[in-house]
Amino acid sequence: AAGVIQSPRHLIKEKRETATLKCYPIPRHDTVYWYQQGPGQDPQFLISFYEKMQSDKGSIPDRFSAQQFSDYHSELNMSSLELGDSALYFCASSLTNNEQFFGPGTRLTVL
Amino acid sequence: QKEVEQNSGPLSVPEGAIASLNCTYSDRVSQSFFWYRQYSGKSPELIMSIYSNGDKEDGRFTAQLNKASQYVSLLIRDSQPSDSATYLCAVNGGRSNYQLIWGAGTKLIIKP
Repeated sequence: AAGVIQSPRHLIKEKRETATLKCYPIPRHDTVYWYQQGPGQDPQFLISFYEKMQSDKGSIPDRFSAQQFSDYHSELNMSSLELGDSALYFCASSLTNNEQFFGPGTRLTVL
Repeated sequence: QKEVEQNSGPLSVPEGAIASLNCTYSDRVSQSFFWYRQYSGKSPELIMSIYSNGDKEDGRFTAQLNKASQYVSLLIRDSQPSDSATYLCAVNGGRSNYQLIWGAGTKLIIKP
């Protein structure tokens, strides 16, 4: 069965640079979620989209923005990167408000 | 107080025994409850979902929900070393239908 696809899998950036993470949900899933997970922490919800509209917002910094496109893929844009942004970033998708299935994640390292 | 509470562990269980993982939540209107397994450096993997009071069994896994006590648990029978991971309890359908509220996770170690 098709799973959630995330790219890139690893990303290294310098401070103050920008990064774009991409997520391709499971086909026919209409909701996409973004999470940030630091070492030893539970996933922190950032933002979600239902049918291409922002549906909920969590602890997403103002430096970050996201959107969902007509083909349902989503992108998380991160600007003015800080050392503390180094983390695993997960995308998950679900069919309406149901079980969330996670992608493999993008490991972002900010130097 | 965190909205979803789990014992952080580590919980050490002998191979072949039953591992019991517990989770309590504070929002009484929560409707959906999930258990995820996460290996170090990997993404959370959904292993059980439960929506109504009682037990739900899937292979070696049994989820138990008691909404009156605001308590959900996960039992793993015939524990295997490959079950060693962090188990995350997640709850939604409370104040926000879209956002999962996560517990901090319980680290489970299955000893051969």
